[in-house]
This record gives sequence, structure tokens and C-alpha cells, in this order.
Amino acid sequence: ETGVTQTPRHLVMGMTNKKSLKCEQHLGHNAMYWYKQSAKKPLELMFVYSLEERVENNSVPSRFSPECPNSSHLFLHLHTLQPEDSALYLCASSPRVAGGGETQYFGPGTRLLVL
Amino acid sequence: AQKVTQAQTEISVVEKEDVTLDCVYETRDTTYYLFWYKQPPSGELVFLIRRNSFDEQNEISGRYSWNFQKSTSSFNFTITASQVVDSAVYFCALSETMNYGGSQGNLIFGKGTKLSVKP
Repeated sequence: ETGVTQTPRHLVMGMTNKKSLKCEQHLGHNAMYWYKQSAKKPLELMFVYSLEERVENNSVPSRFSPECPNSSHLFLHLHTLQPEDSALYLCASSPRVAGGGETQYFGPGTRLLVL
Repeated sequence: AQKVTQAQTEISVVEKEDVTLDCVYETRDTTYYLFWYKQPPSGELVFLIRRNSFDEQNEISGRYSWNFQKSTSSFNFTITASQVVDSAVYFCALSETMNYGGSQGNLIFGKGTKLSVKP
């Protein structure tokens, strides 16, 4: 595997389900990100992790719970979601976080549908 | 205020036409970075280019070229002799080096331009 991978690629869940999205990067990077992309909205940054430590949480509802067990893996745990949470969830990684200018490399995304 | 503006929501061209995607940005930083990404229907954002604010030289990569004009705060992207495979949504993004309300280092994306290239 190369680059950034995400599983599953598609997910349909009910509002009472609990599921997790997985992201893995094979680039040796130290920073990982979760983004949400809804129809007709700009990409929204959700969480940023640097060396497994969360450095940013952009006012994301608590029904989204990130986990970063090591610098190669990032999870997004989902519970009691709402239909408006249906979106494409993208994971990205970069060599570092601080200072600006780091190129982020993205995974293929998970298309989530909440019924 | 929107920091990255891609005024063209959708563009449709016929194969082999040249097409330019506009990007205008806004920042107080003197050091910043600009990016272009391509998002084909499959969903993955593909990195195309990164340019820092001190390098105003235009860049060409095959059929792709980028025109960075600091005086007009623009970073436009041109595809020459477009092909059907160029059909995608293209995003311009800005990364600042100063910390304005926690934005340091984050990618600030425009809303994207959907390009359709018809055979």
C-alpha cells in the first residue's frame, strides 16, 4: 500500500449505530487530519493530530470522536449521527503541522450516508 | 471574509480547448503558501502544486501551468489542450504561517471549480 488509505470507502448507517472510519498513511508523516466535505460546502477541517496528540478540534459535535494510536493510523468513531452528517470524510497527512506550508496528501475518502 | 475565492463554480469546455481556473486569495501574511488540488469523481484530492509567496515564477508541468501574481493576489491555473480525463473539481488553497485565530498551517480551501471536458 502506498500513500493514504481509508476504509471503508462507503458506509450506510442508521442514526443509532456506532461505526468507525479508519485511515492509514504510509508516507512516514507526523501529522494527520480529518476533513468533512458536504455537498455545496467548502472542505471543513475537523481534527488535527501531530505525533498522536490532538492539536486542533474545530467545534466538532461530540458524536464524532477521533483517535490516533500512532502516527500512521487515525480513526473517526461515529455514534448517534444525524442525517445531516452524511458527507464525504477525507483523511490527510503531512510531514509536520506547525509553521504552515506543509503539503497535505489525501486519502480517497469514505462516503457516509446516515439514514 | 472569504480567504480563497474561486469565482467560477462550473466550467464546461470541449476537448482540446485551453481553460483557465481562477483563484484569488486574501491574507495579511508576508510568507504564505498556495496550493492546487484536483478531485476526480472518485473523491480523492490529488495534490498538483505548492507555491510559496516569494516565488513568483510561473510554473509549467506538461499541459498544466500556473500564473502567480502577487500584485493581484491571484494564483490561476491553466490547462492547455484539455482532455476528458481533466474533468474534476479543482480546489485552490492557502496556508498561512502566522497564527490568526488558530489558522496557522491549516489549509484554507476555496469552494472549488467543477470542470467538465466534453469529447
